[in-house]
Amino acid sequence: NAGVTQTPKFRILKIGQSMTLQCTQDMNHNYMYWYRQDPGMGLKLIYYSVGAGITDKGEVPNGYNVSRSTTEDFPLRLELAAPSQTSVYFCASSYFGGARKETQYFGPGTRLLVL
Amino acid sequence: QKEVEQDPGPLSVPEGAIVSLNCTYSNSAFQYFMWYRQYSRKGPELLMYTYSSGNKEDGRFTAQVDKSSKYISLFIRDSQPSDSATYLCAMSSGGSNYKLTFGKGTLLTVNP
Repeated sequence: NAGVTQTPKFRILKIGQSMTLQCTQDMNHNYMYWYRQDPGMGLKLIYYSVGAGITDKGEVPNGYNVSRSTTEDFPLRLELAAPSQTSVYFCASSYFGGARKETQYFGPGTRLLVL
Repeated sequence: QKEVEQDPGPLSVPEGAIVSLNCTYSNSAFQYFMWYRQYSRKGPELLMYTYSSGNKEDGRFTAQVDKSSKYISLFIRDSQPSDSATYLCAMSSGGSNYKLTFGKGTLLTVNP
């Protein structure tokens, strides 16, 4: 299993541009999450999904959108990039129904710089 | 009061030292406790998983939970340069609440 994969690894955006961060998991996990991590600020939950077609806001959803049309994919969309969205973005997944269901598995991250 | 507090460090120790990393929390509903290790420019990976109070040992790592004090610890024995990373505590109340609340992470450097 590849686990959780994210693309791209790094991207520079200009203010006002749009982009989609891709996330795919091959573990048949039902739950998926998007976090952003800023230096010294820990992980903040942006959006999460409990299954295909079901998404909900996390702690810091403004400026982002998500969709979940399949179990495997959970893309994060930035519509109008702002410098405040410069961060490292992590996608994670978990299986709610098995042992250790609280355990989340993370992707390698996407570094985004908005100039 | 923040839900989870973790000293960000940085913490620098010599190789072979015993390392103690700690988190405090305010939500008494938390009963699942995890430690994640995050190497530079990588995603977090689960290191230790503990349910309720008590100790759990895995090799050189020991996780300790004291729910009465709302305090969790991670001990690393015989620390190695390969242990240099950021350590994040995470916790959950479980049940239908599948979200994790993370500490901000402690940056550890083990010097050869």
